[in-house]
Order: sequence, then structure tokens, then C-alpha cells
Amino acid sequence: KAGVTQTPRYLIKTRGQQVTLSCSPISGHRSVSWYQQTPGQGLQFLFEYFSETQRNKGNFPGRFSGRQFSNSRSEMNVSTLELGDSALYLCASSLAGRGPTSYGYTFGSGTRLTVV
Amino acid sequence: AQSVSQHNHHVILSEAASLELGCNYSYGGTVNLFWYVQYPGQHLQLLLKYFSGDPLVKGIKGFEAEFIKSKFSFNLRKPSVQWSDTAEYFCAVNPNAGNNRKLIWGLGTSLAVNP
Repeated sequence: KAGVTQTPRYLIKTRGQQVTLSCSPISGHRSVSWYQQTPGQGLQFLFEYFSETQRNKGNFPGRFSGRQFSNSRSEMNVSTLELGDSALYLCASSLAGRGPTSYGYTFGSGTRLTVV
Repeated sequence: AQSVSQHNHHVILSEAASLELGCNYSYGGTVNLFWYVQYPGQHLQLLLKYFSGDPLVKGIKGFEAEFIKSKFSFNLRKPSVQWSDTAEYFCAVNPNAGNNRKLIWGLGTSLAVNP
């Protein structure tokens, strides 16, 4: 079955702009989580969505937001971009119910965001 | 604050050498533990996981990990590495074992295996 699909793969944005990233989970997976990955901080949890509801949220400012649609596809949005937002943004899906902490994640390849 | 430490940031081995990557976490309660691997140019993949029972868990590709509760450790091992094991390895911990749906990640260990 198809894996987790993230689009676009690469993005270059200017400081102050906003950006929307998309994630299509594996068919049947209803839990979608987002992570920011940087060399210095590693993987930092952004949020998790399950059945269109945010179930968990990390310690990121309100500029970072997300949503999930009825087909489990998810988007995350970053407004008023800062240079420090440059990172690899990873989406991970998991089976319904116990989610990533029981079944583990299936990750996408990520969206590389560069803010200039 | 809860954290996960991976002591070795970069490891270089020759083929057939034995591997042990350290992972320690700071949380006193029940945990679920994971090792993920990221091969060059590929996405993160689950290598193995521990929830309960036998503290020695076996994963894919000959990897295993041992949970030592008294040491708050979950070290990854492989008796004989191959060139194809060159990758980045991440340890992740779920505190509260399922009631808390977050994973806390180590910074990763980069493994290079020379042929």
C-alpha cells in the first residue's frame, strides 16, 4: 500500500510569509502527527490529529497550526515565518485507537522548508 | 523535564564489528520504548519497540535492544554490522505508556559502516 505522502518536498519562503504543508496518511491510518526536525534540536513534536480533532500539542508558538480532514489528510500551516523555522517537517501516520505510542509511526519523507 | 539521551553522536565501524548504541531516558514511570532508523535518502522506519514482557526485544535486520529499568536504558545492539546498516538511529520514549500520546526523541546517532 502507498506510504505517507508529503507535499511539497521542498519549499523556499521569505521571512514573514506563511506556508501550508500537506500530508496524506497511509490508507486506514486515522492518526496523523507532525514533527519538526533540525540538526540541533532533533525531532520536536508539533501536534497530533485523530478523527479531525487535535489530540496533542507540542510546545510551539501559535504560528504553527494544523487541521485534519474527514479523509484523514492533514495540513499544517506556519504563519509569519521566521528564519528559525527552517527545518524538515515530518508527517507520521499511525493506526487508529492507540496511535503512535502503541503501533509506532509510519513516516513520510518530509518537506524541507527554507526560510530566507 | 523528560528527555532522551543518545550518548554517541557519530559512530564509525568496520563491517562485522559489533554495535551498541546507548539510549537513556529521564522518566520514572512506565514507558514504551522505540528505536527508529533512517537510511540515507529514506524516511524514518520503526526498527523495534518495547512495551512490556521480555526486556530483550528483537527487531528487523538482526537488531535487538535491551530494556534495563534500573538504569533507565534501552540500548540497541547488533552482533555484526554490515555496510547497509549505515544510517541514522533514533531512540524514542513514550512516558506514561500510552496515556500520553507523545514521543520524546533522542538527537540520533549517525552510524557509518566501512566495507
